[in-house]
Amino acid sequence: EVQLVQSGAEVKKPGESLKISCKGSGDSFTNSWIAWVRQMPGKGPEWMGVFWPADSDVRYSPSFQGQVTLSGDKSINTIYLQWSSLKASDTAMYYCARQPSRGRLDPWGQGTLVTVSS
Amino acid sequence: QSALTQPPSASGSPGQSVTISCTGSSSDVGGYNYVSWYQQHPGKAPKVMIYEVSKRPSGVPDRFSGSKSGNTASLTVSGLQAEDEADYYCSSYAGSNNVLFGGGTKLTVL
Repeated sequence: EVQLVQSGAEVKKPGESLKISCKGSGDSFTNSWIAWVRQMPGKGPEWMGVFWPADSDVRYSPSFQGQVTLSGDKSINTIYLQWSSLKASDTAMYYCARQPSRGRLDPWGQGTLVTVSS
Repeated sequence: QSALTQPPSASGSPGQSVTISCTGSSSDVGGYNYVSWYQQHPGKAPKVMIYEVSKRPSGVPDRFSGSKSGNTASLTVSGLQAEDEADYYCSSYAGSNNVLFGGGTKLTVL
């Protein structure tokens, strides 16, 4: 069974870059779609996109296309979510989750809190 | 695309049943049998309770059930227990590798 462990909380200033990670364990990680989900304070989750570690295939939500970059390193079972220039509105909890079928996210990582403030 | 619509709150007494609705459109809920429901306790990651409209992952009590009619999906929790108090979110595949979530329903066990 896949388990996902995310990197720790980050505090950044507007305009700074950031890369957070999600490390998977289990034989099926490389051949599993892994999604990123944003959850802003007090709001519902938002699906950002999905990554296939085996060949680095990426699919972005139209809402997040061009705003973030999904990448990965299958040799260390890790995928990444990256920003080149953070905004205050990027402040949120970010989760990675395995997506074994359309719309099903299971399991989830523990989340990475990103705070962007001047 | 807009988020799916859920009632902001629902409540019930222990032992009772409660149903939470999730309304979308023919482009998402009504167009695909890929509706999921997630439970989220404060400070925790969401946990899938129902997927593909009515399927339960192993370990989820059979008190949780899902259904769909047209553009509206529903989650029913029977035999309410104190530990069911949480936020519940629906999601639906929306085509073109996109997934939409609802705004969430806070379930209170009275």
